[in-house]
Amino acid sequence: GENVEQHPSTLSVQEGDSAVIKCTYSDSASNYFPWYKQELGKRPQLIIDIRSNVGEKKDQRIAVTLNKTAKHFSLHITETQPEDSAVYFCAASNDYKLSFGAGTTVTVRA
Amino acid sequence: GAGVSQSPSNKVTEKGKDVELRCDPISGHTALYWYRQSLGQGLEFLIYFQGNSAPDKSGLPSDRFSAERTGGSVSTLTIQRTQQEDSAVYLCASSLAANTEAFFGQGTRLTVV
Repeated sequence: GENVEQHPSTLSVQEGDSAVIKCTYSDSASNYFPWYKQELGKRPQLIIDIRSNVGEKKDQRIAVTLNKTAKHFSLHITETQPEDSAVYFCAASNDYKLSFGAGTTVTVRA
Repeated sequence: GAGVSQSPSNKVTEKGKDVELRCDPISGHTALYWYRQSLGQGLEFLIYFQGNSAPDKSGLPSDRFSAERTGGSVSTLTIQRTQQEDSAVYLCASSLAANTEAFFGQGTRLTVV
């Protein structure tokens, strides 16, 4: 089955700086890669996703890149703000179930 | 309903008792997932239902855990003879299909005392 690894497990950044989270996946047939944000005590919510026919996608301060050859994808958050502090999960799907990474706890320091 | 609904929100049970957790997915969603999240931890996959296909039970941690999805809609996760290590938040999610956004419920916080 699909195995998704996520790094780093924790990330502390100064407000205004950028944050980058990286994930690798094992199944070359995976074709859907969403990212979820989970604030403390809340449910995970989708923030951005990318499909295998696209190399990069951007939505305001958030961008995701996908390298199918290397089987890795990354989340980039620019101009970080305190409200970006949360746990972020990457996931991959191969027309079957979603497999999640272990999560990255992002702390934005004021 | 507008989203995925789970009940109860909180459940405190005595060790050794059985519990049932319920998930009402978004209407029309064919895919349904159960995850377990211990305090400060990631999303541990438990079981996956997709349409009328046989469920993927590969994540169930022991034979004390079982789940059903009746009529392709509501799902129930049952934990028999609960143990303290079963204490966690149990999250349900549904999606229109395998490769689309998964919407999570608010979770059931299970505490085994």
